[in-house]
Amino acid sequence: DAGVIQSPRHEVTEMGQEVTLRCKPISGHDYLFWYRQTMMRGLELLIYFNNNVPIDDSGMPEDRFSAKMPNASFSTLKIQPSEPRDSAVYFCASSFPADTQYFGPGTRLTVL
Amino acid sequence: GNSVTQMEGPVTLSEEAFLTINCTYTATGYPSLFWYVQYPGEGLQLLLKATKADDKGSNKGFEATYRKETTSFHLEKGSVQVSDSAVYFCALSDPYDYKLSFGAGTTVTVRA
Repeated sequence: DAGVIQSPRHEVTEMGQEVTLRCKPISGHDYLFWYRQTMMRGLELLIYFNNNVPIDDSGMPEDRFSAKMPNASFSTLKIQPSEPRDSAVYFCASSFPADTQYFGPGTRLTVL
Repeated sequence: GNSVTQMEGPVTLSEEAFLTINCTYTATGYPSLFWYVQYPGEGLQLLLKATKADDKGSNKGFEATYRKETTSFHLEKGSVQVSDSAVYFCALSDPYDYKLSFGAGTTVTVRA
């Protein structure tokens, strides 16, 4: 079975540019989570969805970050405008049963 | 609130040595407990889980037992291999909103 799919795997962009990260959850999983991982702060939950509806976005750092889940097979995390401090690895995870999350390979974002 | 504390690393072992990584937690309700493993440049992989007191999770020679009386979920492996070198994360899933709380991670290096 295919796991969680994320694209791109690596993204290098310049400060001020828009960045869009993509995630395809495992089929049949009804929860989707977005995380950010840095050396300084470890793993941080940004936002999560249940049945395509955002449930908790309290971890989104600021208004520059937005996330959508237009259908059960696809989610995006957008940063506009990007800043160097957004450089991190961004993970998507989906879960079934609800308590068991499966992580994607991550997108390594570098903002110059 | 929920929290997870795991032993600080890094841990360096010789091949075939015994590995133990301590993990304790604080939680409301009855959380599910997990160990995830992260190899360099990869996402988090679910290693094992336990959903109730006295459950033992096991996978790839690793084991951990859900101890409610000591609020612990220590990870053990009897004979490690070089391929076990990775970062190990202890985590719990909140039984109400399914958000994961992670420990800081323990870096394990196994030398041949």
